[in-house]
Amino acid sequence: RKEVEQDPGPFNVPEGATVAFNCTYSNSASQSFFWYRQDCRKEPKLLMSVYSSGNEDGRFTAQLNRASQYISLLIRDSKLSDSATYLCVVHRTGGFKTIFGAGTRLFVKA
Amino acid sequence: DGGITQSPKYLFRKEGQNVTLSCEQNLNHDAMYWYRQDPGQGLRLIYYSQIVNDFQKGDIAEGYSVSREKKESFPLTVTSAQKNPTAFYLCASSIGTGNQPQHFGDGTRLSIL
Repeated sequence: RKEVEQDPGPFNVPEGATVAFNCTYSNSASQSFFWYRQDCRKEPKLLMSVYSSGNEDGRFTAQLNRASQYISLLIRDSKLSDSATYLCVVHRTGGFKTIFGAGTRLFVKA
Repeated sequence: DGGITQSPKYLFRKEGQNVTLSCEQNLNHDAMYWYRQDPGQGLRLIYYSQIVNDFQKGDIAEGYSVSREKKESFPLTVTSAQKNPTAFYLCASSIGTGNQPQHFGDGTRLSIL
């Protein structure tokens, strides 16, 4: 079992839809969590950090559930420009370790 | 503008040849990293460095070497011992290796001739 798992998708949604991705992690020592966005053949870019209390940035909301060991990303009012792969990233201490999920592909259609 | 610069964008390697990928950052970050990404897969850590003149192996270090002689530079050499080097190579940096997010360069695509 991978330490960080994501549904690879693809998620195909119409413009204006709300879409949610989950990411599960298996190591309870995980300390910090991030969502990155990666466009085709480009580098990953930080979308947002995920805080214990949950956090929002415009149309994007991230949640952390430590008890069930998953993080989520909710995108409201999807835009065509949201089409990308979303990477879940988990960092744990105790022998530096940052683990990237394989990503969830999102296609937003007109 | 501060950022991370990788060069070249595309690189072709002949059999038995060593090639070096450049990574420079002007963000004054202490930590730097090299990752490899294969199609449809997540990033895998090759090497990382927390401070100048120090670096550690990641999960897939075999066939690669690095140096960190300057804070702003972390070049990666893909040696002839790396039998499957075709991939997208990403360099990243962060303020430290704690809970801070990493920021990436725009990558180098390496292919075998």
